[in-house]
Amino acid sequence: QKEVEQDPGPLSVPEGAIVSLNCTYSNSAFQYFMWYRQYSRKGPELLMYTYSSGNKEDGRFTAQVDKSSKYISLFIRDSQPSDSATYLCAMVYGGSQGNLIFGKGTKLSVKP
Amino acid sequence: GAGVSQSPSNKVTEKGKDVELRCDPISGHTALYWYRQSLGQGLEFLIYFQGNSAPDKSGLPSDRFSAERTGGSVSTLTIQRTQQEDSAVYLCASSLNRDQQYFGPGTRLTVT
Repeated sequence: QKEVEQDPGPLSVPEGAIVSLNCTYSNSAFQYFMWYRQYSRKGPELLMYTYSSGNKEDGRFTAQVDKSSKYISLFIRDSQPSDSATYLCAMVYGGSQGNLIFGKGTKLSVKP
Repeated sequence: GAGVSQSPSNKVTEKGKDVELRCDPISGHTALYWYRQSLGQGLEFLIYFQGNSAPDKSGLPSDRFSAERTGGSVSTLTIQRTQQEDSAVYLCASSLNRDQQYFGPGTRLTVT
């Protein structure tokens, strides 16, 4: 079993839809959770960062963490064609030196 | 620009040759990370530098891989006697806080 599981998709939605992206993890030692967006042939871009269970909102993006279920989500409201990218979840162990453990990424396509 | 920069953006080399990849982190960031992104494997940690401490080399896949960071800033990742399985995108990230890492655009390495 991989430490971090993420459905690779692809996921295709119409413009304006609400998108839900998810990751599960197996080790409760993970303490910090991030979502990155990666456009084709570009480096990952940090979107959201959180360390506690609950929701964190930033504009059209909401990150949700459920540590009891070892499950994290990213919601995108009013999705736009410019949101078309690969979304990667990433985690860090508490007390570690900080190297990120990534999911494989979900490829999202938002159709106009 | 204030972001992480990497050079070259693309590198094609013959099997058995040595290659050097360069990373310029964000000014003032004390931590620097190298990751590798390949199809099927996702993003994998390679090596981590923090200030003047000894680097964490736990992710390096073989002794053909090495990295150094001079003056706490620029880093070079060296791959000796390249193999076809080394073909991947090599990403560098820097951070002030271990959990908020900012990535460069990557170097796409192709070994023929």
